Amino acid sequence: DSGVTQTPKHLITATGQRVTLRCSPRSGDLSVYWYQQSLDQGLQFLIQYYNGEERAKGNILERFSAQQFPDLHSELNLSSLELGDSALYFCASSVVGGQNSGNTIYFGEGSWLTVV
Amino acid sequence: GNSVTQMEGPVTLSEEAFLTINCTYTATGYPSLFWYVQYPGEGLQLLLKATKADDKGSNKGFEATYRKETTSFHLEKGSVQVSDSAVYFCALSPFSGGYNKLIFGAGTRLAVHP
Repeated sequence: DSGVTQTPKHLITATGQRVTLRCSPRSGDLSVYWYQQSLDQGLQFLIQYYNGEERAKGNILERFSAQQFPDLHSELNLSSLELGDSALYFCASSVVGGQNSGNTIYFGEGSWLTVV
Repeated sequence: GNSVTQMEGPVTLSEEAFLTINCTYTATGYPSLFWYVQYPGEGLQLLLKATKADDKGSNKGFEATYRKETTSFHLEKGSVQVSDSAVYFCALSPFSGGYNKLIFGAGTRLAVHP
């Protein structure tokens, strides 16, 4: 158990709909990351938040957005869903900035999204 | 830019065989290097890491050495088990400016048969 909690574990929804994926980081971790894993694209970095602020953006579509709340949990919002958005979405967290952080990023078990 | 290249799979081995999964990287500066493992139906787990040149990461019988001169971080295990069947991802973290992220290779599927 990495300590990163993601909900829901599985989600099936129709094209055009909107979903929200939720992530609770490990206790004490200030940084949250979102990754998408699909068969054709592999593991793609989407976005990173640090202590409530966006810090890095990867291959995140304009239809997708994320935020990190004061209690440090994060949500990834996916809208106008398309069949190609079907994927495993991972949240990860780390302690960033400390000398002993070791750069280790811990992953949750992922949220399986199926768009039909 | 930063990138990671892994050997293509699947890698199929018999139990107790020696395993090598090659990983090379391109990065500016001095990244940290990682191997993550994904067992069937599960999320990503950190397997081992190395944060500077010549460091050796090890865990569960797996080892990888950070080779700056060859920009490599090959994963090895002396005797694989059926339970090692999984997808293995090599990754680097540039850790630039205190805000790090992981850049992954494509993953290598390992299948170990009894």
